[in-house]
Amino acid sequence: ETGVTQSPTHLIKTRGQQVTLRCSSQSGHNTVSWYQQALGQGPQFIFQYYREEENGRGNFPPRFSGLQFPNYSSELNVNALELDDSALYLCASSPKGQGAATEAFFGQGTRLTVV
Amino acid sequence: AQTVTQSQPEMSVQEAETVTLSCTYDTSENNYYLFWYKQPPSRQMILVIRQEAYKQQNATENRFSVNFQKAAKSFSLKISDSQLGDTAMYFCAFMWLKTEDKIIFGKGTRLHILP
Repeated sequence: ETGVTQSPTHLIKTRGQQVTLRCSSQSGHNTVSWYQQALGQGPQFIFQYYREEENGRGNFPPRFSGLQFPNYSSELNVNALELDDSALYLCASSPKGQGAATEAFFGQGTRLTVV
Repeated sequence: AQTVTQSQPEMSVQEAETVTLSCTYDTSENNYYLFWYKQPPSRQMILVIRQEAYKQQNATENRFSVNFQKAAKSFSLKISDSQLGDTAMYFCAFMWLKTEDKIIFGKGTRLHILP
């Protein structure tokens, strides 16, 4: 079985630009969650996608948006980048249902730097 | 709102010793999961151990065990016979079973295992 893969691993963007981060879920997992981890902090939940629809959202503005595709892979889009968006973005996949979300597997993250 | 607090920002221990990481949480819910995740320099979040709130017995995974005190809302991690590879950030985390969406993380404890 393949693990969770994220791309790119590192990215530098200019304030005001837009960025798209990608995540391929683990085989057999139908749910993808995205987290933002600022330096020295724990990850913060952005949103979750299940069956191509948003299924729960954290306290993030609408310029953070996402997609899930039929193969369960996912994208995180951030518009109008701000300096505070600089962080490690983590993707986690899990099989939904019956507490199976506790089997979440994380990717290695995308380090985004906004200058 | 659920919160997770880790009061030890950083700890150091000699190899082969036992170390305990502290965690407290706050929730009004009754059905939830608690986790300890390890994040080494590779950045990938790895599940160390999981505890279902409805189970009184403390979870154990090889050298890792927890002390779950539900009434006190305390969830500490004990690492026995610590190894150099245990050096990492450790995050305590909470998930409400009903929604299976977001995992709420603490700010983490940086653990150094010294040779």
